[in-house]
Amino acid sequence: DAGVIQSPRHEVTEMGQEVTLRCKPISGHDYLFWYRQTMMRGLELLIYFNNNVPIDDSGMPEDRFSAKMPNASFSTLKIQPSEPRDSAVYFCASSLRLTRGGYGYTFGSGTRLTVV
Amino acid sequence: AQSVTQLDSQVPVFEEAPVELRCNYSSSVSVYLFWYVQYPNQGLQLLLKYLSGSTLVKGINGFEAEFNKSQTSFHLRKPSVHISDTAEYFCAVSGDNTDKLIFGTGTRLQVFP
Repeated sequence: DAGVIQSPRHEVTEMGQEVTLRCKPISGHDYLFWYRQTMMRGLELLIYFNNNVPIDDSGMPEDRFSAKMPNASFSTLKIQPSEPRDSAVYFCASSLRLTRGGYGYTFGSGTRLTVV
Repeated sequence: AQSVTQLDSQVPVFEEAPVELRCNYSSSVSVYLFWYVQYPNQGLQLLLKYLSGSTLVKGINGFEAEFNKSQTSFHLRKPSVHISDTAEYFCAVSGDNTDKLIFGTGTRLQVFP
């Protein structure tokens, strides 16, 4: 099991450019979450999917952010246009509801985004 | 709705000393509680979880946590820390009425030689 795979690990882009972050969840997991981590705000849930369907996108900061999950093995988070304040580490996590309740979240290694 | 509060943003401790990282939760329904660890430049890794049953939960790397319903707490403990335990620790909560995992703000554990 390769775990949750995110790409790229690091991204440096200029303000105004489009940025696409990618995530491959663990096979068989039916939930996928996108988080953003900054020093100021900590871990923020941006959006999550269940069975490829967006369930809650209330954490998406602005219309510049969009996320898709075209199939069970792939999701993207897109920022267009990017701004310096979008600089953060973006984590993807996938999960399976545990039989005894709760969720077994597995996080990817994150994408460190720097917008200059 | 669930919420979780980590009372200490930073905890400095010397190597081989015991440590407790505090976490309090708020929930009106049954809760599931988790502790995650984040080493520098890495993602979050599950340390341990409480779903039901025994209130004392043992996790990886010698950590344990105790679920205390009356105190609404889920404190993380280790009897003797190592330099390698230096990391950020996150408490998290979910419940039967939500698909989401709600994270605390994190506690930075710094172990000194």
